Amino acid sequence: GAVVSQHPSWVICKSGTSVKIECRSLDFQATTMFWYRQFPKQSLMLMATSNEGSKATYEQGVEKDKFLINHASLTLSTLTVTSAHPEDSSFYICSARDATSRPDTQYFGPGTRLTVL
Amino acid sequence: SQKIEQNSEALNIQEGKTATLTCNYTNYSPAYLQWYRQDPGRGPVFLLLIRENEKEKRKERLKVTFDTTLKQSLFHITASQPADSATYLCALDKGGGSQGNLIFGKGTKLSVKP
Repeated sequence: GAVVSQHPSWVICKSGTSVKIECRSLDFQATTMFWYRQFPKQSLMLMATSNEGSKATYEQGVEKDKFLINHASLTLSTLTVTSAHPEDSSFYICSARDATSRPDTQYFGPGTRLTVL
Repeated sequence: SQKIEQNSEALNIQEGKTATLTCNYTNYSPAYLQWYRQDPGRGPVFLLLIRENEKEKRKERLKVTFDTTLKQSLFHITASQPADSATYLCALDKGGGSQGNLIFGKGTKLSVKP
């Protein structure tokens, strides 16, 4: 089956630093990748939609200058949390859309736990 | 605005029984609805998708129903096992299926006791 990986699986950083999270589709090409954030006991909240070779589309309320998304290839998207603060601590999950399946199916990565001290 | 609700935050059942989870939505007519399983500290895993013109879908011990009149989906796990313990999320397509954007419910945490 389709596999999506994320790296790192967890990261602890100091306030004010930047953190990059990678999302890879391992055995399929993903023209679209999605980035979600999940707080404890809350639902997954879509942050942005990333299309290969174009600018990401951000959901309302998500700062595009703070959460930089790059989707440079059909198998890799990165999310960079810039100048991280403790309130950015969360579980970040990416998913990749396999456009060859109908209806479109999203495959999720294992998530990245970010803790900002 | 679009709203999706999973009525029970938690559900505890005995092994061997059927677990039934509910997902309701308002202000929306999705083209399809999906169910995912999420284990602690992990990303969701896709289980089943049911389209608006389908009443019921089955996969092994799983069964999903979709009532577009009631705006409700029911997710059943028959002959439940402790290994089925997890949080189950329902999700609706946000953009009519064209972009694959999903709206998720908060999930129902299922605990199956031996």
